[in-house]
Amino acid sequence: SYELTQPPSVSVSPGQTASITCSGDKLGHKYACWYQQKPGQSPVLVMYQDSKRPSGIPERFSGSNSGNTATLTISGTQAMDEADYYCQVWDSSIHVVFGGGTKLTVL
Amino acid sequence: QVTLRESGPALVKPTQTLTLTCTFSGFSLSTGSMCVSWIRQPPGKALEWLALIDWDNDIHYNASLKTRLTISKDTSKNQVVLAMTNMDPVDTATYYCARMTSMSGGVGFDYWGQGILVTVSS
Repeated sequence: SYELTQPPSVSVSPGQTASITCSGDKLGHKYACWYQQKPGQSPVLVMYQDSKRPSGIPERFSGSNSGNTATLTISGTQAMDEADYYCQVWDSSIHVVFGGGTKLTVL
Repeated sequence: QVTLRESGPALVKPTQTLTLTCTFSGFSLSTGSMCVSWIRQPPGKALEWLALIDWDNDIHYNASLKTRLTISKDTSKNQVVLAMTNMDPVDTATYYCARMTSMSGGVGFDYWGQGILVTVSS
């Protein structure tokens, strides 16, 4: 099986940059996606194909993927960005895998 | 616009079979490369992918749950149905259906339903 590892929590001060990592074997050889989930809500796609933002996602969200690590970066973090974030990959053999999620706290 | 909505029982007993229906609009599952997946999330825990069906009736299951899952589609009704057998309290979760416009290419799940909380209890 294939596993994606995320830190359980990340804290950031308002206006600062938050980086959330997702690690997996040769992850850089696959496309990574990221989802934001606020309490009581369904997940929202915030990044696809490693670094592309869906329509409506603010420019402060960016992504990268290389080696064994994909990273979601939020520049100028705002209070509204406080949420759980999940990475996800697709592979022809494992199909869909989600990471364990990271709780982003803005304080 | 694209919408998905899950429906089914809120409560099932252990050993029963859960049947959930995803009814969608704004797209067709007969369109090339289109997919619909089921994903669940136990309370306070992470997302877990369950199954996927595409426009060509190609089907994939989470290997750890494969023996318990059956996914199917009714293109004329714009519905995807998931059946999960032998339900257990650990299967208590919010079950989501979500759309993916291509199985490969890393496009992700761009639209999600609101989810349905299913509790397994006697």
